[in-house]
Amino acid sequence: QKEVEQNSGPLSVPEGAIASLNCTYSDRGSQSFFWYRQYSGKSPELIMSIYSNGDKEDGRFTAQLNKASQYVSLLIRDSQPSDSATYLCAVNGDKIIFGKGTRLHILP
Amino acid sequence: KAGVTQTPRYLIKTRGQQVTLSCSPISGHRSVSWYQQTPGQGLQFLFEYFSETQRNKGNFPGRFSGRQFSNSRSEMNVSTLELGDSALYLCASSLWGIDYEQYFGPGTRLTVT
Repeated sequence: QKEVEQNSGPLSVPEGAIASLNCTYSDRGSQSFFWYRQYSGKSPELIMSIYSNGDKEDGRFTAQLNKASQYVSLLIRDSQPSDSATYLCAVNGDKIIFGKGTRLHILP
Repeated sequence: KAGVTQTPRYLIKTRGQQVTLSCSPISGHRSVSWYQQTPGQGLQFLFEYFSETQRNKGNFPGRFSGRQFSNSRSEMNVSTLELGDSALYLCASSLWGIDYEQYFGPGTRLTVT
């Protein structure tokens, strides 16, 4: 059974700090990785995709991928109260699998 | 560009009935995927259509089916509804498929009584 694991949280981070979200996956053949943000009662919104080992930055967001260790992470710099949401990690190998998400709470 | 649209937004059905949900992708996107989201199981992949052909399928029973039209619009059908089918059904569109960025619609909230 291929899996994608995320800490369910809630992860509480002070406003202005760095939030670090982690995701591990079991399928070594996975090739594409995504982070989505989902506000309560809304649909998932794409934040970033990453396909190769290393870091990818987009504004306040940095995705990190380590295929050897089978983890992908998302860093949010200068966290804002509007970043409070559930963050979903998605991993695509022969099937796309979503983690169950980490609830992030930014403390004003 | 207009986003992904889904109709209807809310639906209440009775056990044993069938339901059809509709999804219109972002203009130019040829891939449409369907997902089921529940509090217990999270977001689960149902199937993907690309250029009117089912390209990928998740682990759902045959009661769940779909199709895609030549204009890339897609429909999902669930027959013989069960209480456990109550969920948020999301569709997502992509230029190239689930290996690439996908953009979700607002979802259809299905309640089976």
